[in-house]
Amino acid sequence: QKEVEQNSGPLSVPEGAIASLNCTYSDRGSQSFFWYRQYSGKSPELIMSIYSNGDKEDGRFTAQLNKASQYVSLLIRESQPSDSATYLCAAAGGTSYGKLTFGQGTILTVHP
Amino acid sequence: NAGVTQTPKFQVLKTGQSMTLQCAQDMNHNSMYWYRQDPGMGLRLIYYSASEGTTDKGEVPNGYNVSRLNKREFSLRLESAAPSQTSVYFCASRGSGRKNTEAFFGQGTRLTVV
Repeated sequence: QKEVEQNSGPLSVPEGAIASLNCTYSDRGSQSFFWYRQYSGKSPELIMSIYSNGDKEDGRFTAQLNKASQYVSLLIRESQPSDSATYLCAAAGGTSYGKLTFGQGTILTVHP
Repeated sequence: NAGVTQTPKFQVLKTGQSMTLQCAQDMNHNSMYWYRQDPGMGLRLIYYSASEGTTDKGEVPNGYNVSRLNKREFSLRLESAAPSQTSVYFCASRGSGRKNTEAFFGQGTRLTVV
């Protein structure tokens, strides 16, 4: 079992719709969670970080964390073609100190 | 402020050759990481160093060695390159503490082994 798993893609949504990306993690001791966006040929860049149960909103992005279910999600509202990228979920702070583990990524395409 | 700097950006090796990928960060971060990225596989952790003087294996350590030279630098060595090591390699660094511990990435090294 992978330590961090993301919902299988690719995901395609129309412009203006809500894109929903999901992630589960296996290390119950994980404390910090991150969503990164990666454009083709580029390095990953941070979109959101979340540390506490509940929702965290930043502009069009909302991250949700449920530690009891070991589940993290990212909602992108009013999706734009520029949101088309690979989204990577990551978890840290588990039983292995300092380890930062990523999921396999979900490719999102927003079509006009 | 350079952030995380990786060298080289591109490299072609012949099977059996060795090379070292260099990584340096200027953010005074304790933790550093090496990942490889293959199509559809996300970022797979090769090795990491939670603090100066320590290194630990990640998911895919076979065929690689690392050195945490000092707090700033973390190198990845391929002793005998194989075609299966053709990939894009990313170095990252991260601070410690309870919050604001996101990782920052270098620009990547595209390695081809022929």
